[in-house]
Amino acid sequence: QKEVEQNSGPLSVPEGAIASLNCTYSDRGSQSFFWYRQYSGKSPELIMFIYSNGDKEDGRFTAQLNKASQYVSLLIRDSQPSDSATYLCAVMGAYKYIFGTGTRLKVLA
Amino acid sequence: DVKVTQSSRYLVKRTGEKVFLECVQDMDHENMFWYRQDPGLGLRLIYFSYDVKMKEKGDIPEGYSVSREKKERFSLILESASTNQTSMYLCASSLSSWGGTGTYEQYFGPGTRLTVT
Repeated sequence: QKEVEQNSGPLSVPEGAIASLNCTYSDRGSQSFFWYRQYSGKSPELIMFIYSNGDKEDGRFTAQLNKASQYVSLLIRDSQPSDSATYLCAVMGAYKYIFGTGTRLKVLA
Repeated sequence: DVKVTQSSRYLVKRTGEKVFLECVQDMDHENMFWYRQDPGLGLRLIYFSYDVKMKEKGDIPEGYSVSREKKERFSLILESASTNQTSMYLCASSLSSWGGTGTYEQYFGPGTRLTVT
């Protein structure tokens, strides 16, 4: 079992819809969770982080964390073609960050 | 804004050459990291450093070494480049050390795409 798992996609959504990206992790001791956006050929860019159970909203983005079920998700409201990218989930456990391999999102105009 | 810069955007080297990749951050961050990213394999940690002159091996340290003589600068060294080290190399930094109550978000540099022929 991979330590951080994401569906590789592509996840295709129409412009204006809600995109829902999911990530599961195996280490119950993980404390901090991050979402990065990576455009093709570019480096990852931090878009959200969440440390506590529940929801955290920032503009069109909402991160959701459920430690009991060991999953973290990212919702993108009013998706735009410019949101088309690969989204990486990262989990920080004891002394280590672990990245998922990413979900490719395509927003169709 | 946090700024992480890397010395080269693209680099082409020959097999057996010694290669230096430089990374500089301007936000007084404690931790610095070197990753490589390959299609289908995601980000893999090569080395990290939590303080000046301190270094720890990551998941794939073989064939690499690092140097951190100043807090803002973290160098990755390929002692004798090989074709299987062709990759995108990403440097990152984060503010706090492990176990503290600070912030742990990593910020990435633009990356160096290294080709070894």
